[in-house]
Amino acid sequence: QKEVEQDPGPLSVPEGAIVSLNCTYSNSAFQYFMWYRQYSRKGPELLMYTYSSGNKEDGRFTAQVDKSSKYISLFIRDSQPSDSATYLCAMSGGAGGTSYGKLTFGQGTILTVHP
Amino acid sequence: EAGVAQSPRYKIIEKRQSVAFWCNPISGHATLYWYQQILGQGPKLLIQFQNNGVVDDSQLPKDRFSAERLKGVDSTLKIQPAKLEDSAVYLCASSLDRGQYFGPGTRLTVL
Repeated sequence: QKEVEQDPGPLSVPEGAIVSLNCTYSNSAFQYFMWYRQYSRKGPELLMYTYSSGNKEDGRFTAQVDKSSKYISLFIRDSQPSDSATYLCAMSGGAGGTSYGKLTFGQGTILTVHP
Repeated sequence: EAGVAQSPRYKIIEKRQSVAFWCNPISGHATLYWYQQILGQGPKLLIQFQNNGVVDDSQLPKDRFSAERLKGVDSTLKIQPAKLEDSAVYLCASSLDRGQYFGPGTRLTVL
């Protein structure tokens, strides 16, 4: 069993739709949870960074973490064609600058938002 | 603030040849990572440096891969000899405390 499972999609939605992306994980030591966006032929770009359980909102993006269920989600409201990319969940047992900062990634969900 | 720089962006080599990738992290970031991303998968950590010391290289194929970070700033990753299965994007990332910031990657094709 992989430590982090992410539905690879692909996911295709119309512009303006609400998008839900999800990951499950098995390692209870994970405390830091991130979502990255990766455009074709680019490096991953950090979108959201959360610590432990709870919600975090940033513009059209909302990240949710439920540690009791080992489940994290990213919601995109009013999706735009420019949101079309691969979305990667990532998690670690420590902060980025520590020896526990190693990230374990999901395999990514390919999202297409069509006009 | 300048981002993580990597070069070259693309490299095509034949199997059994050697190749080297270079990374310059964000200024002031003590932690540097090299990841391998195979098509259709998430990045997989190869090696983590804290300043110029290795913190984690448990997933680095040490018989063919090597990495160094002299003076705690720039880093190079080398593959010698390359195999077909090494075809991937090699990503460098750096971190201060919150999250990791990635460079554009080097796309390696081994023929």
